[in-house]
Amino acid sequence: RKEVEQDPGPFNVPEGATVAFNCTYSNSASQSFFWYRQDCRKEPKLLMSVYSSGNEDGRFTAQLNRASQYISLLIRDSKLSDSATYLCVVNRGAGFQKLVFGTGTRLLVSP
Amino acid sequence: SAVISQKPSRDICQRGTSLTIQCQVDSQVTMMFWYRQQPGQSLTLIATANQGSEATYESGFVIDKFPISRPNLTFSTLTVSNMSPEDSSIYLCSVSDSENEKLFFGSGTQLSVL
Repeated sequence: RKEVEQDPGPFNVPEGATVAFNCTYSNSASQSFFWYRQDCRKEPKLLMSVYSSGNEDGRFTAQLNRASQYISLLIRDSKLSDSATYLCVVNRGAGFQKLVFGTGTRLLVSP
Repeated sequence: SAVISQKPSRDICQRGTSLTIQCQVDSQVTMMFWYRQQPGQSLTLIATANQGSEATYESGFVIDKFPISRPNLTFSTLTVSNMSPEDSSIYLCSVSDSENEKLFFGSGTQLSVL
C-alpha cells in the first residue's frame, strides 16, 4: 500500500461544476499536509496548505480528517484553467526531506 | 517566492553517457532538493544538497550515480551518470521559502535516454 494514495482520475467536469478530491495517508504521525497543482509538463506549485480546522482560498477549500487519515480538496465553480493534476503531499515529520507526494489526481474541465 | 532557473529543460542522451543539470536560485537558500518524477509516478526525493558538506541521499540513491555539487548558497548541480533508459524521467530542483513552509520548484529537466 502506498503511503499517500489518490484516485488518478481523470475527473471530467463541465465549467461551473463543483468537484472534490480525496487523498488518504497511512502514517498517523504525519504532521502537515498540502495540495500542489501541476500543469502538463510543468513543475508542481503549491496550491494551499491544509489545516486541521479546514481552510478556504477563494473557490478552493481544503479539509483534514486526522481520525480517518484523509485530506480533501473541493473546487467550486470550476474554470477551464483549473484543468491540471492535483498532488496530495504529506509531511511525515519535520523537514522537507520527510515530504511524501501522491501520484496526483487529474482534473479536466470542459466548456 | 524564489525564482529558480533550471537547465537544460530537456535532453536526449545516449546510454552510458552522463548529463549535468544546473539549478540557479535568485536568493541564498540553506538547502536545495533534487527530485525525480518518472512517468506516471509521484515525485521522489533523490537527495538534499547542503552548502559546505556532502549531499544527503535518500534510500535507493547513491552518490556514484547522482553526484551533486553545491558550491554556494544559490547554485547546485545534479549529474546523472552512466545513464540507462531507466533514468528517463523529469528531474526537478527545489528550495523552501524562508519560513520553511513551502517548496518552490524549478521548471524541470525532461531527460530521455536511448
